[in-house]
Amino acid sequence: QKEVEQDPGPLSVPEGAIVSLNCTYSNSAFQYFMWYRQYSRKGPELLMYTYSSGNKEDGRFTAQVDKSSKYISLFIRDSQPSDSATYLCAMTYQGGSEKLVFGKGTKLTVNP
Amino acid sequence: DTGVSQDPRHKITKRGQNVTFRCDPISEHNRLYWYRQTLGQGPEFLTYFQNEAQLEKSRLLSDRFSAERPKGSFSTLEIQRTEQGDSAMYLCATHPGQANTEAFFGQGTRLTVV
Repeated sequence: QKEVEQDPGPLSVPEGAIVSLNCTYSNSAFQYFMWYRQYSRKGPELLMYTYSSGNKEDGRFTAQVDKSSKYISLFIRDSQPSDSATYLCAMTYQGGSEKLVFGKGTKLTVNP
Repeated sequence: DTGVSQDPRHKITKRGQNVTFRCDPISEHNRLYWYRQTLGQGPEFLTYFQNEAQLEKSRLLSDRFSAERPKGSFSTLEIQRTEQGDSAMYLCATHPGQANTEAFFGQGTRLTVV
């Protein structure tokens, strides 16, 4: 079993839809949780960064962390064609290298 | 543009050749990471530097791989005797080393071994 599990999709939604992306993890030591967006042939760019449990909102994006269930989510409201990309969840814990452990990524297409 | 620069962006090489990639980090970032991403997968950690010291290496980093970060500035990743399985995107990420801050990724070097 991988440390971080993420459904690779693909996920196709109409413009304006609410998108829900999820990851589960097995390592209870993870403290920092991130969502990255990656366009084709580009490096990942950070969308959301959350420490421990709770919700965080930034514009059309909301990140949720439920440490008791080892489950994190990213919601995208009013999705736009420009949101079409691969979304990667990543997590780490403080101490040591603080290397990121990534999910496989979910490929999202928002259709106009 | 995150400020992390990788060169080259794309490299095509024949099996058995050696290749070297370069990463120029954001200047004040003392932590530097290399990751490898294959098609349909998330990035996987390869190695980590704090300043010039290489402090952690993944078991993915076989003895054909070597990385350096002289003087704690730019970093190089060399692959000797390339194999087709080495074909991947090689990503560099840098971090300022302060708690609760993000890592910044470069655009990656896409390696194709033919």
